[in-house]
Amino acid sequence: GESVGLHLPTLSVQEGDNSIINCAYSNSASDYFIWYKQESGKGPQFIIDIRSNMDKRQGQRVTVLLNKTVKHLSLQIAATQPGDSAVYFCASSTYSGAGSYQLTFGKGTKLSVIP
Amino acid sequence: DAGITQSPRHKVTETGTPVTLRCHQTENHRYMYWYRQDPGHGLRLIHYSYGVKDTDKGEVSDGYSVSRSKTEDFLLTLESATSSQTSVYFCAISVLQHNEQFFGPGTRLTVL
Repeated sequence: GESVGLHLPTLSVQEGDNSIINCAYSNSASDYFIWYKQESGKGPQFIIDIRSNMDKRQGQRVTVLLNKTVKHLSLQIAATQPGDSAVYFCASSTYSGAGSYQLTFGKGTKLSVIP
Repeated sequence: DAGITQSPRHKVTETGTPVTLRCHQTENHRYMYWYRQDPGHGLRLIHYSYGVKDTDKGEVSDGYSVSRSKTEDFLLTLESATSSQTSVYFCAISVLQHNEQFFGPGTRLTVL
């Protein structure tokens, strides 16, 4: 899940296992969600997105699930590989008025893949 | 990095000096953003632009100004750098504001 402290939540998984990374958002008016991957020393990389009219979306080896009732989304990575080691964070988009949208980012979860 | 470059990639400066960071895109996207990333915080929006000469403030805009004179360039200026502005700065672009944003490689700024 998302952390409010200085230390990121960590998830360690064995290579080949599936990973599940969770994210809670606070604004029930959020209607668009994105997952990013950030490797050390690099910029965030877009993984997958989902709009609020869907509850599941699949990409290559990744699936995002959205539960609007409890304001929760998750990222599932199938057959986790060493290259998946990174910090993963979610972002939620909310209409902020005057035609503008605000993207709010979570603090991230560090995924470590054990070879 | 989706055709986004940032310069410089690293900079060390002293308190009170002006600093300008540049973001350049080759995608011709309308929206451009400046974020800062600090331990214990998610990415926080400083300023964004929705077109040439059209900019607006974000969550943490105090001490920063921006300019966009061309579609491809978005400049972030710290008029008088402070130690609290030591951070990693990311530029991002998007086609529409309610779409995914693509990020540049970042600029690590240290203010001594």
